Amino acid sequence: AQSVTQLDSQVPVFEEAPVELRCNYSSSVSVYLFWYVQYPNQGLQLLLKYLSGSTLVKGINGFEAEFNKSQTSFHLRKPSVHISDTAEYFCAVSAPSGNTPLVFGKGTRLSVIA
Amino acid sequence: GAGVSQSPSNKVTEKGKDVELRCDPISGHTALYWYRQSLGQGLEFLIYFQGNSAPDKSGLPSDRFSAERTGGSVSTLTIQRTQQEDSAVYLCASSPGLARSNEQFFGPGTRLTVL
Repeated sequence: AQSVTQLDSQVPVFEEAPVELRCNYSSSVSVYLFWYVQYPNQGLQLLLKYLSGSTLVKGINGFEAEFNKSQTSFHLRKPSVHISDTAEYFCAVSAPSGNTPLVFGKGTRLSVIA
Repeated sequence: GAGVSQSPSNKVTEKGKDVELRCDPISGHTALYWYRQSLGQGLEFLIYFQGNSAPDKSGLPSDRFSAERTGGSVSTLTIQRTQQEDSAVYLCASSPGLARSNEQFFGPGTRLTVL
């Protein structure tokens, strides 16, 4: 069975500062990894995904994440955040194939302070 | 193009009533998923459909929950005899069914409140 741990439930950060949201996963097989963002009263939007290949993945809105197999981590980073990045961020894992359910972490609420 | 749509956006019901939640996936997507988002449990998988195959119901929390997908497109999630613990946001997602990707596109959700 797969599981995801998001180590921080809330992360406050000042505008234009860098941020890292941490994600660790557990799986006995290889995985696909995802980061989704949820703005207030909206559904989930995909930020980026790791399927295979380069371990550094770039996504939308200036976010990137690095897959580290030895540490079973997939941390999300942004060098300079904006007020508009305030949202809930979810890390998810799935089996390495199409059409399998995602297993989500509990989420990290990013609050960007002016 | 149009994304995943869900209706209603909000539903308030009384304990013991049945409710139906609707999901319209992206046209051409063969896979459809239902998830539940609640304060205590985070995001949980409920059920998924892939083409004409039998659905994977392994995430349904009780036999009061059921879902169907007609014509390989629209899906309805039905909760019978609702309980207060069913209060949550129910999210639907669809994906194109590509073997080497599992990107799922989510709808805005239906917020269910059971009084």
